[in-house]
Amino acid sequence: DTGVSQDPRHKITKRGQNVTFRCDPISEHNRLYWYRQTLGQGPEFLTYFQNEAQLEKSRLLSDRFSAERPKGSFSTLEIQRTEQGDSAMYLCASSSVTDTQYFGPGTRLTVL
Amino acid sequence: RKEVEQDPGPFNVPEGATVAFNCTYSNSASQSFFWYRQDCRKEPKLLMSVYSSGNEDGRFTAQLNRASQYISLLIRDSKLSDSATYLCVVNSRMDSSYKLIFGSGTRLLVRP
Repeated sequence: DTGVSQDPRHKITKRGQNVTFRCDPISEHNRLYWYRQTLGQGPEFLTYFQNEAQLEKSRLLSDRFSAERPKGSFSTLEIQRTEQGDSAMYLCASSSVTDTQYFGPGTRLTVL
Repeated sequence: RKEVEQDPGPFNVPEGATVAFNCTYSNSASQSFFWYRQDCRKEPKLLMSVYSSGNEDGRFTAQLNRASQYISLLIRDSKLSDSATYLCVVNSRMDSSYKLIFGSGTRLLVRP
């Protein structure tokens, strides 16, 4: 399967714990995006990388959130001191030079 | 006001029916337009891009009216497998941003 992959698919954690998610984009895609989706809403943009450079961050990305793409390939999204409001589906997408973004299956986070 | 607005539905139609979804967007600088389909608890998948001249892909027809900032999706001869949430998506490309702005989605239920 050469699509976008994400790991883990599901994560249950207790409030106050740190969590880290991984995204592996389609191999030839140089752009990588993170979105968050809550029930009944469309995905909301969090941040975007072109190669290893983080070029845009949403105001939704508080200082508890950090994303990296150290070698311009896979990316990680870390949430520190999780809160119940962080419970959501975290989606990763990638694209090449076109606008079309392809999404991974997402990581569903539940904060107890 | 949301940047992309859609009727949440649900639209409940019989097999074989024709159904139309509408969407409005607020940013007149938006340059790229898409319809994504999302099945329950799955990732969004690109259904089709939307071009100014309108475009068709099998049973699906998309239209864009830039003057009215309005996008539509027409599904002919509905199938049970068309049941899903349809997300209207725009990309403003302002300041070299590539982020996608999603509507909240319109839910379609096709009944036998």
